[in-house]
Amino acid sequence: EVQLVESGGGLVKPGGSLRLSCAAFGSTVSNAWMTWVRQAPGKGLEWVGRIKSKTDGGTPDYAAPVKGRFTISRDESENTLYLQMNSLKTEDTAVYFCTTETKSFGYESGDPKSWYYFDYWGQGTLVTVSS
Amino acid sequence: DIQMTQSPSSLSASVGDTVTITCRASQRISSYLNWYQQKPGKAPKLLIYAVSSLQSGVPSRFSGGGSGTDFTLTISSLQLEDFATYYCQQSSSTPRTFGQGTKLEFK
Repeated sequence: EVQLVESGGGLVKPGGSLRLSCAAFGSTVSNAWMTWVRQAPGKGLEWVGRIKSKTDGGTPDYAAPVKGRFTISRDESENTLYLQMNSLKTEDTAVYFCTTETKSFGYESGDPKSWYYFDYWGQGTLVTVSS
Repeated sequence: DIQMTQSPSSLSASVGDTVTITCRASQRISSYLNWYQQKPGKAPKLLIYAVSSLQSGVPSRFSGGGSGTDFTLTISSLQLEDFATYYCQQSSSTPRTFGQGTKLEFK
């Protein structure tokens, strides 16, 4: 069973930085597509960014609101995913979840196809950006 | 970016009812549509992927359908534990996007 455990959240002033961690158990972060999703207080889910598995190139992608400010990385030796957040804004206040994006193979109308979905989630860590 | 729009935003129902939530994508997403359930203070939970495939352990009263741009999540014979917020999500392209959520409340 895969378990993801986030940490590193807290209170930070606008313009400040914070690094979130997501420790993985029962799974290897380098072999998975790892994603950060956030949820502002009382709001819906927002995709923040993702890093693909090493076999799929290991490249990160980011949502427009965080591009250039946030960086996703991983440490294979620690089996941990990171989200480095710089130049934080009040609108970055949210619970941040890490999740695995699983690729599932199958067939549709006789043709091979891959589907993607977020199947394992951490419990989330709260980031509050306020002066 | 692909916009996902759910309706209704909230829904009142009773135990035993059957409810349907609709999700519309701003462009065709083939069958790259997933559904999640979220309870207060908890992480989302995957219910259905690829439009209609039930995630392991999810009760069969949950079902999904649709194609192209219009999709549905149906919950039959509602149980007390089903009162939660539901989100659709597309995995056709990056960035992944979610619907705004549908809050299912007890009538």
